[in-house]
Amino acid sequence: RKEVEQDPGPFNVPEGATVAFNCTYSNSASQSFFWYRQDCRKEPKLLMSVYSSGNEDGRFTAQLNRASQYISLLIRDSKLSDSATYLCVVNGKGGNNRKLIWGLGTSLAVNP
Amino acid sequence: DGGITQSPKYLFRKEGQNVTLSCEQNLNHDAMYWYRQDPGQGLRLIYYSQIVNDFQKGDIAEGYSVSREKKESFPLTVTSAQKNPTAFYLCASSAWEDYGYTFGSGTRLTVV
Repeated sequence: RKEVEQDPGPFNVPEGATVAFNCTYSNSASQSFFWYRQDCRKEPKLLMSVYSSGNEDGRFTAQLNRASQYISLLIRDSKLSDSATYLCVVNGKGGNNRKLIWGLGTSLAVNP
Repeated sequence: DGGITQSPKYLFRKEGQNVTLSCEQNLNHDAMYWYRQDPGQGLRLIYYSQIVNDFQKGDIAEGYSVSREKKESFPLTVTSAQKNPTAFYLCASSAWEDYGYTFGSGTRLTVV
């Protein structure tokens, strides 16, 4: 089992749609979880951290399910500019380990 | 504006050459990282540094070297020992207790 697994997609959705991505992780000791966004041939940019209680930032909602070891990202009212690859990121083994484990990403294309 | 700068954007290396990729940040971040990204693979950690004059190997350090003589700078040398250096190289930095990384815009290295 990969340490962090994501459905690669691509997800093709019309503008205004709601789309959800899931990500599973294998290390039950992981404490920190993130979603990054990466545009084609660009660097990743932090989209949001994922907290145990769930968190929302505008049209984006992130959830964490520790029991099932997955995190999710929900995008409401999709915009053309949301087209990108979304990377799920989890910290590595051990509470003080600074190594992040990166998923391969889920590709999203929002169509007019 | 604070940020992290990588140079050059594109770099071509001949077989057997060593090349050095520059990474400079003015965010006053303690930690700096070098990643490599290949098509179809997630980001893989090459080296990281938590403080000046100290650095640690990541998952794929063979064929690479780094230095951290100043807080602001973390150059990466791709040596001739690295057999498959063609990739997209990303430098990142973060505050010590923060996993929210800021990335540079990357260097695309091609062996010719």
